[in-house]
Amino acid sequence: TQLLEQSPQFLSIQEGENLTVYCNSSSVFSSLQWYRQEPGEGPVLLVTVVTGGEVKKLKRLTFQFGDARKDSSLHITAAQPGDTGLYLCAGDNNAGNMLTFGGGTRLMVKP
Amino acid sequence: EAGVAQSPRYKIIEKRQSVAFWCNPISGHATLYWYQQILGQGPKLLIQFQNNGVVDDSQLPKDRFSAERLKGVDSTLKIQPAKLEDSAVYLCASSLFQGAGNNSPLHFGNGTRLTVT
Repeated sequence: TQLLEQSPQFLSIQEGENLTVYCNSSSVFSSLQWYRQEPGEGPVLLVTVVTGGEVKKLKRLTFQFGDARKDSSLHITAAQPGDTGLYLCAGDNNAGNMLTFGGGTRLMVKP
Repeated sequence: EAGVAQSPRYKIIEKRQSVAFWCNPISGHATLYWYQQILGQGPKLLIQFQNNGVVDDSQLPKDRFSAERLKGVDSTLKIQPAKLEDSAVYLCASSLFQGAGNNSPLHFGNGTRLTVT
């Protein structure tokens, strides 16, 4: 079983602050996805990164895939209360579509 | 397009009882997944179907869990008998085809929250 470890597990910050969430593994993934999940809902895909070293931006969110395709980070600039939620990373090992999820980072942004 | 539909939204049962969850994927999506998400954790894959065939059920506790997708469209997941540790949210997801890369992202339903007392 391929493990994805996310850190920190919990993060509580004030509106306007910046933050970075990490997703690490000892395994190589063919692609890595980031999801955001709100209470009572299913995860919603934010981005997929495929190439080692790839950086993708989604408004105030910046996603990076490690050069070795074993780790990824999500950076949020000037966090807003609407960014509150559970952020999940998930790795695809390209073997029959086995998508392994990390344990998630629960973010709370206080106004 | 309509999203992934799941029912019921909530279910409370006593241990040793049985329960069934239903999922209707997005129309045309060949691949269907059932995930278990225990409070405070990320989702764990239970079973994956490609049309009406099982692709992976290695993490499904087969002594008490079963799932089917007989006509390759909607699916049911059953637990019999339930244990306290089965309390979790059961998420169904679908994708256009196998391979979770850029071309075939997963779309999740809102889940069924199961409480076993």
